[in-house]
Amino acid sequence: ELKVEQNPLFLSMQEGKNYTIYCNYSTTSDRLYWYRQDPGKSLESLFVLLSNGAVKQEGRLMASLDTKARLSTLHITAAVHDLSATYFCAVDIGNNYQLIWGAGTKLIIKP
Amino acid sequence: KAGVTQTPRYLIKTRGQQVTLSCSPISGHRSVSWYQQTPGQGLQFLFEYFSETQRNKGNFPGRFSGRQFSNSRSEMNVSTLELGDSALYLCASSLGNFGTEAFFGQGTRLTVV
Repeated sequence: ELKVEQNPLFLSMQEGKNYTIYCNYSTTSDRLYWYRQDPGKSLESLFVLLSNGAVKQEGRLMASLDTKARLSTLHITAAVHDLSATYFCAVDIGNNYQLIWGAGTKLIIKP
Repeated sequence: KAGVTQTPRYLIKTRGQQVTLSCSPISGHRSVSWYQQTPGQGLQFLFEYFSETQRNKGNFPGRFSGRQFSNSRSEMNVSTLELGDSALYLCASSLGNFGTEAFFGQGTRLTVV
């Protein structure tokens, strides 16, 4: 069975701290996506990772992909309250956006 | 540049009825994919269309169907609604090429009573 597992599922942290969200998947794929979802809102694309060793950074967020370990990480540096949201990873198992999603990590950043 | 537009935003239907949801992709995007989001099952892939052809289909019953028109707009239809079909239905628009970014609409919140 194809699985995409995120951990932790819930994370409460203080502003200024660093933390990492992990995304493990059970099938061969070299296309992984990270999305952000605010309550009641749609999904916002954060990163598209297309090869082993890919690393992308945007502001306080950095994502990486290790296709051999079937692992992607989303690292948060010096968290700020505005980053509070639910973060999803998704693995493309086909050629055309047949995405299998993780359960999401709900991130709460306290001032 | 206009984003992905889904209509309607909210819908309440009765068990046994059918429903049609619409998605207008970003101009120039030829791929539209559909997802169901529920608290229990999370996000699940329904199907993907490119240039009016369904290229992939998820593991949903035949009550769920879709189509895409020549202008890339897409509709999905759910017949014989069940309570468990209550969900947020999201569509995503992309160029359809390998590894390109997908942009999501605001979703249609379907409630079946």
